[in-house]
Amino acid sequence: ETGVTQTPRHLVMGMTNKKSLKCEQHLGHNAMYWYKQSAKKPLELMFVYNFKEQTENNSVPSRFSPECPNSSHLFLHLHTLQPEDSALYLCASRSGTSLGDTQYFGPGTRLTVL
Amino acid sequence: KQEVTQIPAALSVPEGENLVLNCSFTDSAIYNLQWFRQDPGKGLTSLLLIQSSQREQTSGRLNASLDKSSGRSTLYIAASQPGDSATYLCAGGTQGGSEKLVFGKGTKLTVNP
Repeated sequence: ETGVTQTPRHLVMGMTNKKSLKCEQHLGHNAMYWYKQSAKKPLELMFVYNFKEQTENNSVPSRFSPECPNSSHLFLHLHTLQPEDSALYLCASRSGTSLGDTQYFGPGTRLTVL
Repeated sequence: KQEVTQIPAALSVPEGENLVLNCSFTDSAIYNLQWFRQDPGKGLTSLLLIQSSQREQTSGRLNASLDKSSGRSTLYIAASQPGDSATYLCAGGTQGGSEKLVFGKGTKLTVNP
């Protein structure tokens, strides 16, 4: 256990559905991240939040909508997704007090879009 | 733009063998270099982090080196065990430190009993 939890662990949804992914960190960290991991591609950074403020949006389509209500929780709201959005979505957190500190990852949500 | 490449994509070795995983990066202005381990269907676990001012880091049977001038890092695993089987990912920290990491595609390691 890294102190970062993600729910659900698996999600199957149709292209017209609306669903949300949840991430929670119990480490007292100030920065949180969403990544997308597709088969045969490197991890892709999607969003970064520092002290609840979004500081990075890596040209992510608007059908992905992040929300960070506080430093411990991060959501990814999904709507009208495409089959190519099927992937493992990973959440990570980082202390943010030092440039050299590492990121701690959750177990991921395996998303399948039909 | 930083790009990270890992070779080989997959590696299969017998138990007990010493092995080296390779990582190369295009921008020598790397802030730090990290090695992660990922088990199937799971998240990433940080193994070693090398700051740009360091040459290597060691943890147990693992040793990672960093050569900024040549744009290369290696992860050395001594006396490999079946439990070492996983995908190993290399990631470079950009000018923002560990704020933004650029990942390679990983090397899938299988250690056969």
